[in-house]
Amino acid sequence: AQKVTQAQTEISVVEKEDVTLDCVYETRDTTYYLFWYKQPPSGELVFLIRRNSFDEQNEISGRYSWNFQKSTSSFNFTITASQVVDSAVYFCALSERRGTYKYIFGTGTRLKVLA
Amino acid sequence: GAVVSQHPSRVICKSGTSVKIECRSLDFQATTMFWYRQFPKQSLMLMATSNEGSKATYEQGVEKDKFLINHASLTLSTLTVTSAHPEDSSFYICSAGPPGNTEAFFGQGTRLTVV
Repeated sequence: AQKVTQAQTEISVVEKEDVTLDCVYETRDTTYYLFWYKQPPSGELVFLIRRNSFDEQNEISGRYSWNFQKSTSSFNFTITASQVVDSAVYFCALSERRGTYKYIFGTGTRLKVLA
Repeated sequence: GAVVSQHPSRVICKSGTSVKIECRSLDFQATTMFWYRQFPKQSLMLMATSNEGSKATYEQGVEKDKFLINHASLTLSTLTVTSAHPEDSSFYICSAGPPGNTEAFFGQGTRLTVV
């Protein structure tokens, strides 16, 4: 069975601090996709990143970076120099195979960045 | 880029009435669409897979007679919450993707309040 675990329910940091959001997944598939989404208070899901199971290269996009480690089934997300606008709920998600849009979401981590 | 549009974004209805939510793929055809439900401060849970031209596939525990799904065309799926009750109040969000794409596109979501 597929499962995504985000153990951190809520994190509070002070602006400019770095913060890492953890994501651990379970799947029997050898091919799968991992995602991170941001959900601001308005509710819409904002796509942040996609990573397929064959690409373990870490990625950096501005203040955001992702660490994918198949050995530990983890796909962690780090925000460097956090800002108040980063306050939101962040979801990690898993899907199998390209073109399959059925997602398993983690429980989400609510990030509060305090000024 | 591909867009999925959901309507309405917010609806308030009286207990016992039915509410219809639309999900449209604006620039691609989707043989399947997905409906998720999110209770306050909780994760997104897949409710059902909407299949064009055939019956929807419901996840375990989701009442198919209460949540009617119709996918009559390749660009439109509708979710009807029948005989709504206050416990049906939730955030409903749909998703779909072009054939062979690597990630789904999500609608803006519908916040349903049953009073």
